[in-house]
Amino acid sequence: NAGVTQTPKFQVLKTGQSMTLQCAQDMNHNSMYWYRQDPGMGLRLIYYSASEGTTDKGEVPNGYNVSRLNKREFSLRLESAAPSQTSVYFCASSERASGNTIYFGEGSWLTVV
Amino acid sequence: AQSVSQHNHHVILSEAASLELGCNYSYGGTVNLFWYVQYPGQHLQLLLKYFSGDPLVKGIKGFEAEFIKSKFSFNLRKPSVQWSDTAEYFCAVIPGGAGNMLTFGGGTRLMVKP
Repeated sequence: NAGVTQTPKFQVLKTGQSMTLQCAQDMNHNSMYWYRQDPGMGLRLIYYSASEGTTDKGEVPNGYNVSRLNKREFSLRLESAAPSQTSVYFCASSERASGNTIYFGEGSWLTVV
Repeated sequence: AQSVSQHNHHVILSEAASLELGCNYSYGGTVNLFWYVQYPGQHLQLLLKYFSGDPLVKGIKGFEAEFIKSKFSFNLRKPSVQWSDTAEYFCAVIPGGAGNMLTFGGGTRLMVKP
């Protein structure tokens, strides 16, 4: 049972480069999320998708785009990476209704130099 | 701004010591409350959650948390910590009407010395 799978696990980018973080879940969840984790700030929501075909901005969406490719997959794209986007990125999924447990992937460590 | 605050950023304890990690939130009305744990190099895992009912919630691995509505608090406790409890702990809140959108506190790094 893989749960939430993210790739790549580690990535180093140069300023201005683009990249896409991939996320897939095998739990048939409707909702998916992308968070970034920075020291002392906890996790902050970048974008979320309440259900297939919909995406919405979270707390810190600037510099990112997302695609809900299908029910299983939710990708996060950095079009022009900046050093401020150096962070650990977590994908997560849950059933849509409030109160359902949110399951997290193992994280993607991104460094922008 | 509405937020979730964890006042202890780093805690160091010896094995068998008691643990209490503070969490306060500033949302009014109904809230759903969570504690997540992140062991070194691993993803976040749910420790416990509170939605309604008994304000004393028991979670996995001997952890519990108490919801005190008047204090806007949801502190995490464990009577006797083990070395394996070394991890980062996150309090999170879903304000009423926010669907399943978690807002996290800044986290508390716990180190348990053997």
